[in-house]
Amino acid sequence: GAVVSQHPSWVICKSGTSVKIECRSLDFQATTMFWYRQFPKQSLMLMATSNEGSKATYEQGVEKDKFLINHASLTLSTLTVTSAHPEDSSFYICSARVGRGGQETQYFGPGTRLLVL
Amino acid sequence: GQNIDQPTEMTATEGAIVQINCTYQTSGFNGLFWYQQHAGEAPTFLSYNVLDGLEEKGRFSSFLSRSKGYSYLLLKELQMKDSASYLCAVRDRFSGGYNKLIFGAGTRLAVHP
Repeated sequence: GAVVSQHPSWVICKSGTSVKIECRSLDFQATTMFWYRQFPKQSLMLMATSNEGSKATYEQGVEKDKFLINHASLTLSTLTVTSAHPEDSSFYICSARVGRGGQETQYFGPGTRLLVL
Repeated sequence: GQNIDQPTEMTATEGAIVQINCTYQTSGFNGLFWYQQHAGEAPTFLSYNVLDGLEEKGRFSSFLSRSKGYSYLLLKELQMKDSASYLCAVRDRFSGGYNKLIFGAGTRLAVHP
């Protein structure tokens, strides 16, 4: 299947700092990527849809000025958590859309665990 | 609105068969996915159903009934490594044009010797 990577795999930062997470499609081009957040023992919650060459589409309740998304190329999307606070500590996972129409699916990256002190 | 329900936890014995059910309500159903997620890891794709019926892939099978809003994931010959969370996700065509996946809360399966 398609391979999606994320970097870093984990990060610890001080409250108030910004953290950038990269999501890359390694062997294919992805015009659309998705960013999810997952708290312990909970399911994945979609934060935003990242579109190459255009603005991201954010889900209701997700602050676009706090979670900056840039999809600058067909293989890279970045999520920047600005002015991070302890409540932002979570598991952040990206996915890339593969295929078209009825055959479309999503392949996930390995995730980034963020701890804000 | 959209709603996906699956049991929170299940236990089973190594070598046995287990069925994980998922019911959903969505306005623009456009496919159902099952993912496996081990603790601390990202989900991995297991199966996809868009038409009614059973899709078999090795030890795993997935069934869909669109009229009933119902799916199940069947795991045969359980192994200890199958202990994980299993996520049911529905694709909704009326979700902003990008075919978003709506995830259920997941079913944590514990396989015992």
